Amino acid sequence: DTAVSQTPKYLVTQMGNDKSIKCEQNLGHDTMYWYKQDSKKFLKIMFSYNNKELIINETVPNRFSPKSPDKAHLNLHINSLELGDSAVYFCASSPGTGGSYEQYFGPGTRLTVT
Amino acid sequence: QQQVKQSPQSLIVQKGGISIINCAYENTAFDYFPWYQQFPGKGPALLIAIRPDVSEKKEGRFTISFNKSAKQFSLHIMDSQPGDSATYFCAASVTNYGGSQGNLIFGKGTKLSVKP
Repeated sequence: DTAVSQTPKYLVTQMGNDKSIKCEQNLGHDTMYWYKQDSKKFLKIMFSYNNKELIINETVPNRFSPKSPDKAHLNLHINSLELGDSAVYFCASSPGTGGSYEQYFGPGTRLTVT
Repeated sequence: QQQVKQSPQSLIVQKGGISIINCAYENTAFDYFPWYQQFPGKGPALLIAIRPDVSEKKEGRFTISFNKSAKQFSLHIMDSQPGDSATYFCAASVTNYGGSQGNLIFGKGTKLSVKP
């Protein structure tokens, strides 16, 4: 069984559209994250959720909104997509908050905005 | 946000050689230093991690060396194999903190290619 899964794996869309990426973890972890990896491979955290509560909200545009229906799922909704949003988005989970817990990453969603 | 500086950006090593990747940090409050390995088309995965109370940690062919006074740490891959070809990320965090202070701060990555 896949520990952290994301759908879709690839997403191609036009500027101005709204899209969502789904993430599910079956590890029983309390904390989930969204990361953005740009074309230069730089990994930066966007959000994290602990027990359905947003505990980190980095300085990302408010066009990005995380939604967690339960602690096993953390979806990412993006409004009014822009060219600069093109990147690979990774979902991750960990047993608790704080950087000392191992983070388990999903396979990534490659978003291309044309 | 505090930075973690990683070098080199890319590294080519012959099979059987030693791969060395270096990282430097600024925030003296960092107390957890993991390395993540990412294969093409996959998400990063934890490889090995160290805390500043030890100067070295070894797991198989992978060793982290840590120099607290210099605020530097490095990953050594002994007997490098073609299967080690991947992108390696160092990271750092402040443990026992919630909120943004507990974030993992990643270096910019090193693309390692091990030639047969």
